[in-house]
Amino acid sequence: GNSVTQMEGPVTLSEEAFLTINCTYTATGYPSLFWYVQYPGEGLQLLLKATKADDKGSNKGFEATYRKETTSFHLEKGSVQVSDSAVYFCAHNSGNTPLVFGKGTRLSVIA
Amino acid sequence: DTEVTQTPKHLVMGMTNKKSLKCEQHMGHRAMYWYKQKAKKPPELMFVYSYEKLSINESVPSRFSPECPNSSLLNLHLHALQPEDSALYLCASSQVMYEKLFFGSGTQLSVL
Repeated sequence: GNSVTQMEGPVTLSEEAFLTINCTYTATGYPSLFWYVQYPGEGLQLLLKATKADDKGSNKGFEATYRKETTSFHLEKGSVQVSDSAVYFCAHNSGNTPLVFGKGTRLSVIA
Repeated sequence: DTEVTQTPKHLVMGMTNKKSLKCEQHMGHRAMYWYKQKAKKPPELMFVYSYEKLSINESVPSRFSPECPNSSLLNLHLHALQPEDSALYLCASSQVMYEKLFFGSGTQLSVL
């Protein structure tokens, strides 16, 4: 069935460190892939998306590349800030299916 | 206007109360969703409305009753809830079903 697996948190980094949050998926067909971010006390915000193989989504210094051969969509940022502290959800949908979320990865960035 | 607005932000209710959660969007989206999110968990889909018709009900107990009065509004009526129903309830919308979602900030519900 359709699923998303992302690395367990919490992840704690110092400011300006490099961030990678791994995400792999199983899906039928050719899913669209998403990263959502949830700041404390807020709903989810779309961070970036990719709709086909080798697409790179990017926003606010975050990037993720749609890797069909490894069914992955890892989130990266070169230099994290304290304001990036949040929970990050990887998600996908395939054609006529609702969004499937991973379990979320909590990121804490300390000054 | 790219916002999904939910009211109230916080709600405390007893198990015998009746209350409603409200959601509004003015982006012209034709699909609207209710999700339930427990602490430290991903959102779980409850209901999907498409063109004001209920398209998906993920086997949600009947004490939750959704309503879509028009294309901009989505309500969730609550009656005889249980303490385990305490959670963050998120509304979302998308241009059409299964397109990218725009979420509201949620209603934090506590059932005593």
